[in-house]
Formats: sequence, C-alpha cells, structure tokens
Amino acid sequence: GQNIDQPTEMTATEGAIVQINCTYQTSGFNGLFWYQQHAGEAPTFLSYNVLDGLEEKGRFSSFLSRSKGYSYLLLKELQMKDSASYLCAVRAPSGNTPLVFGKGTRLSVIA
Amino acid sequence: GAVVSQHPSRVICKSGTSVKIECRSLDFQATTMFWYRQFPKQSLMLMATSNEGSKATYEQGVEKDKFLINHASLTLSTLTVTSAHPEDSSFYICKGRDVRSDTEAFFGQGTRLTVV
Repeated sequence: GQNIDQPTEMTATEGAIVQINCTYQTSGFNGLFWYQQHAGEAPTFLSYNVLDGLEEKGRFSSFLSRSKGYSYLLLKELQMKDSASYLCAVRAPSGNTPLVFGKGTRLSVIA
Repeated sequence: GAVVSQHPSRVICKSGTSVKIECRSLDFQATTMFWYRQFPKQSLMLMATSNEGSKATYEQGVEKDKFLINHASLTLSTLTVTSAHPEDSSFYICKGRDVRSDTEAFFGQGTRLTVV
C-alpha cells in the first residue's frame, strides 16, 4: 500500500526554526519531494532527495533516511510569508506512476 | 527547466457549458501529464494520468465522459470539463513528466473554475 504521514498543522514564531516531518510506506521508492503551497495557488517545488542525507538550499533544508522511511523539511529564520501548506510526495520507480502525496502540513507563522 | 504553463488561471462559466483548460510544457517534452483537482482546504486529488498519444487513465470515481483529456502532442495536454455544474467548481492543476529523461516537471499555475 501507499501511505504518507505528516502533521496536519503546525504553528511557529517568526524568526524561529521549524521542522516538518514526513514518514512514508510505499511500494518502491525513487525520490522524495517537498512542495510549498500558498492558499489559492499551485504547489511550488522546494526540494528533491533521492539519497540519504541533508540537502541545504538557503533557509530551507530537507533530510532523507531511506532505511527509516523518513524525511523532514527544516525552515530557518521563519518569515510570515512562510505561512503555507507543505506537501511531502514520494516518487515510485515506475515511469508513469504519479507521485504519492501526503495530505500536507499547514504551517502558521505568528509574530 | 521543466516548466508547465497552464491557462486560463481563472474562469467563470454557466452551468451546462464546457470549459477547456490547457497545459503546455515550455522547455521539455511531457510524455505524461497528471491532472489534479483540489477543493478548498483539502488535499490534492489525482484525477487522471495521460500519456502522449494514448487514452488517459482515470482514477476511481472520476467520470471520463465528463472530464475529457487530450494529450495529442508532447507539449500540450488539455482537460475539458463538459456540461459543468456548480459542484465542479474547484482548483484544477496539471503536472508534467518526461519519462524518457526521468524529468519531473513543475506544476502548472492552476485554474480556478467557478460554475454559476
């Protein structure tokens, strides 16, 4: 079966650091994506991990452990504009298989 | 790279009419296009997967005669909502992929459909 879990909602303070976790159980694995989606807009790409370890890109970092079926997205120096939903998605090895998305984590950044 | 351009961004139509949504791959060739629908404050829901030159595969519960998908070329896929009703009002988003080069494209910008 395909199952991706991530917290439904999180709240963090402006300037702080927040970690959004994602665990997955999928039949096959060929990479994990993180997307940011603001209300009323399409998701935008944040990161892609296919090997274990941490990928850093500015204020955002993403970590993957394939053996644990686990990833997290780390957001540093939070800004109000970071308030959005964050989607974790797993890619299967098969070429035409769609990404399996988690339900998303709604992050609220407060002053 | 791997940009998908989706149009229109917003459309309002009357009940019973049809609406066509286009997704064009700008700098890659989309062998596959995924079509999603998203209701307010809900998750993305996959509607169908289309492969260039062949019939689309629809997810369970999605009416293929109502949501017509055409993927006749590697740069254009269209979704037509036929005989639209207010309950079809939603946010429709496409996402491309080039299976041959293993390129996962960005999402299109999305289309906000309102049926009145």
